[in-house]
Amino acid sequence: EMQLLESGGGLVQPGGSLRLSCAASGFTFKTYTMNWVRQAPGKGLEWVSAIGTSGSTTYYVDSVKGRFTISRDNSKSMLYLEMSGLRVEDTAVFYCAKGAVGSYVYDAFDLWGQGTMVTVSS
Amino acid sequence: DIRMTQSPSTLSASVGDRVTITCRASQTVSRWLAWYQQKPGKAPKLLIYKASTLESGVPSRFSGSGSGTEFTLTISSLQPDDFATYYCQQYNSYGTFGQGTKVEVK
Repeated sequence: EMQLLESGGGLVQPGGSLRLSCAASGFTFKTYTMNWVRQAPGKGLEWVSAIGTSGSTTYYVDSVKGRFTISRDNSKSMLYLEMSGLRVEDTAVFYCAKGAVGSYVYDAFDLWGQGTMVTVSS
Repeated sequence: DIRMTQSPSTLSASVGDRVTITCRASQTVSRWLAWYQQKPGKAPKLLIYKASTLESGVPSRFSGSGSGTEFTLTISSLQPDDFATYYCQQYNSYGTFGQGTKVEVK
C-alpha cells in the first residue's frame, strides 16, 4: 500500500526554525516528483514547494523563497522541508504529496500524507 | 502567477441533485487541471486530472470538462458521501489551487 507519513510539526516562536519529514513507502520514491502543500486553519490549500526526482531541481511559492528549503533522500525514501524565519502566517497543516505521473515537474497529486501541524506563535 | 477562481464558494444541495462547480484560470492552463475532494480533518483526495480523466477508484458520477481557462466539475447525482469541500488546481505552472467550494446539505 502506498503511504506518506509526515512528522516534525510543532509549536515554534516567530523567527524560529523547524524541519518537517515525510516517509514514503509502497512505491518507487526516486521516480516521482514530490511536493509540500499547506493549509492554514479554516483556509484553502496552498502549494508550497516541489522537488524533482534527483533533488537537483526545486521550486517554491514566492512567500517562502529564501526561508524554506525542500530536499529528498532517495536512498531512504524521505522528503524534507527545512523552514527558517518562520512567521505567524506560516501556521498551517503541512502535507507532503506525490506527483501522479512520475518525473513531471508540475503534476496532479495522487497521494497525500495525513499532515503535520506547524504553529508559529509567541 | 496563475490565479484560480472557483464558483460558487458554497453550494447547498440535496441528495440526488446534479451539482456543477466552475473553476476559472487567469491565463490558459491547457488541460493541466485537477479536482480534489477534502473532508474535515482529512487530506485531499484526487478525483480528476488532466481536466477530465477520472482517477482510479473514483465513482463515475464525478466528471470534469473544459480546457484553456474554464473548467467544470459535475456530480451527476449527489450522494451522502459527497458533502465536502472541492478544490481545483492548475499544474501548468507550479500548482495553484482555487479557494474551494463547500458542498453542504440544503
